[in-house]
Amino acid sequence: DVKVTQSSRYLVKRTGEKVFLECVQDMDHENMFWYRQDPGLGLRLIYFSYDVKMKEKGDIPEGYSVSREKKERFSLILESASTNQTSMYLCASERGQGVSKGYTFGSGTRLTVV
Amino acid sequence: GESVGLHLPTLSVQEGDNSIINCAYSNSASDYFIWYKQESGKGPQFIIDIRSNMDKRQGQRVTVLLNKTVKHLSLQIAATQPGDSAVYFCAENSPLYGQNFVFGPGTRLSVLP
Repeated sequence: DVKVTQSSRYLVKRTGEKVFLECVQDMDHENMFWYRQDPGLGLRLIYFSYDVKMKEKGDIPEGYSVSREKKERFSLILESASTNQTSMYLCASERGQGVSKGYTFGSGTRLTVV
Repeated sequence: GESVGLHLPTLSVQEGDNSIINCAYSNSASDYFIWYKQESGKGPQFIIDIRSNMDKRQGQRVTVLLNKTVKHLSLQIAATQPGDSAVYFCAENSPLYGQNFVFGPGTRLSVLP
């Protein structure tokens, strides 16, 4: 069964900490995405990547960075966590070649910053 | 019935009834649409898709209807079951968005016993 795996389901971090959220996919997909999901705001795109070592800002990149050193892994980094970054974080991947068949999502990481 | 809650529109249906979840999409140039289901504590899962050259597509117990004239998408679930309780999102993809999908706000479906 193909999947997108997010390393943590729940995380609690302190304000000011550097936080790493890891995402791995086993489908050899080119495209990977990080979203945050908040009540009333839906899914908001933070960063995405269409290839190894490539990254593009989404709609809300402030306070975040990403790393894509290998095709299967896309990491989201909170440089200095703040309480307004408390959220559900969703990673997704998509085949980049040919016709899109949509995104495959991970199970999400619920991050609480205290 | 359907009501707008604090955060998310909610649709409540009796078990066994049919459900219709609606979505107004943004871009008349969008050419590919997907419905996702998100259960509590999980990531969204693909349910069914439709391309703009079609008006209707059927899956197992689900049907998606596309009305390009009014930029409207609907998801019909036949014989709704308790396991259908979830938040449902529509997503649209347009050449104008590059390769990325744009997601709707979602509708919470509550199945009553």
